[in-house]
Amino acid sequence: DQQVKQNSPSLSVQEGRISILNCDYTNSMFDYFLWYKKYPAEGPTFLISISSIKDKNEDGRFTVFLNKSAKHLSLHIVPSQPGDSAVYFCAAPNQGAQKLVFGQGTRLTINP
Amino acid sequence: DSGVTQTPKHLITATGQRVTLRCSPRSGDLSVYWYQQSLDQGLQFLIQYYNGEERAKGNILERFSAQQFPDLHSELNLSSLELGDSALYFCASSSGTGWFGANVLTFGAGSRLTVL
Repeated sequence: DQQVKQNSPSLSVQEGRISILNCDYTNSMFDYFLWYKKYPAEGPTFLISISSIKDKNEDGRFTVFLNKSAKHLSLHIVPSQPGDSAVYFCAAPNQGAQKLVFGQGTRLTINP
Repeated sequence: DSGVTQTPKHLITATGQRVTLRCSPRSGDLSVYWYQQSLDQGLQFLIQYYNGEERAKGNILERFSAQQFPDLHSELNLSSLELGDSALYFCASSSGTGWFGANVLTFGAGSRLTVL
């Protein structure tokens, strides 16, 4: 039961260009979404979040867009930098908000 | 350093054996969560404790068990290990329970278990 899906296992982007990572969800009860970033040999770290009452949240180079009707969210990174190369997970609280449900992750590679 | 400490970082063992993974949460955090990441899989929620009590359970096998101690550290016990249990096991902590808007999870670096 994969309630949060990231259908692209990997993405390669040129440095300076825009990176767009996508995430789809099936549970219409989800009302909060988070993105985590993970470097090798480290745990995931929180990046940015969005509440379902918004359709956009911006933090520096990172912007998350939410389309509730399509049950889709995306993370935009502009401009992309080599340090952005990592695995990105989208997540949503479930089970009475007692746990975070994660997608499978997308490995982003920024090429110089 | 996230403030969440997991030991051991790496563990290699044989099928049928039992191992214990340890997690010390960030100072002040009362909730501990365990997640499993197998090859090419996302983070699968196993179990959550809040101030010593089990609060939520995910797809945790009966061969696995966990507990949170009075000093708030937690242990995940994996027994009768199988090859498929090889994975990264992450511990995360948060200050409260529920409503992740206020309780963003902080993850440890993980314990990599290899079962041969």
